[in-house]
Amino acid sequence: GAVVSQHPSWVICKSGTSVKIECRSLDFQATTMFWYRQFPKQSLMLMATSNEGSKATYEQGVEKDKFLINHASLTLSTLTVTSAHPEDSSFYICSARVIQGGQPQHFGDGTRLSIL
Amino acid sequence: GQQLNQSPQSMFIQEGEDVSMNCTSSSIFNTWLWYKQDPGEGPVLLIALYKAGELTSNGRLTAQFGITRKDSFLNISASIPSDVGIYFCAGQNFGNEKLTFGTGTRLTIIP
Repeated sequence: GAVVSQHPSWVICKSGTSVKIECRSLDFQATTMFWYRQFPKQSLMLMATSNEGSKATYEQGVEKDKFLINHASLTLSTLTVTSAHPEDSSFYICSARVIQGGQPQHFGDGTRLSIL
Repeated sequence: GQQLNQSPQSMFIQEGEDVSMNCTSSSIFNTWLWYKQDPGEGPVLLIALYKAGELTSNGRLTAQFGITRKDSFLNISASIPSDVGIYFCAGQNFGNEKLTFGTGTRLTIIP
């Protein structure tokens, strides 16, 4: 149980392109999902908390107009990297937690984004 | 953002050896989690600890929630090739769903 699916797993695109990444909880509902970014050989850094039916909460230093988050249902959150540039190239990972309190976060398999 | 300090940063061991790693924080946490990440994949939860002093096992893995609430330890016994990867600790507090991740410990098994 508690499977989180991300799509796509890998994307390469030209600078200036906008890229959408999907995060789905397959067998549970999640009012809250989280988006992380991980650079090579580094740890996961939280970018934003995605709340179903309301605006996302962004961490300090993360541009909300650059990284658009939509959490329209209890099983889907999307992250759109707008006008992506090479410095946005990274491994983006989402996580979700079962609605019932006290449950740990479960992570998707990540999306590797490469901007040329 | 804040990160937890993990040590060692990397480990090179032979198959069959036991492994110990730890995670320390300058502030307390109510929950400690240990995850393993394989290359190109997301982290997978190994063990969750919810009480200071708690010692929890999952197969060959054993983790402890430090009594001060500022640290946690993970031990792996009789390592096998599939143990290779990066191990991350994460701290969490009640009422706050955010996780604070450690810097990671990279485990390599020498043939």
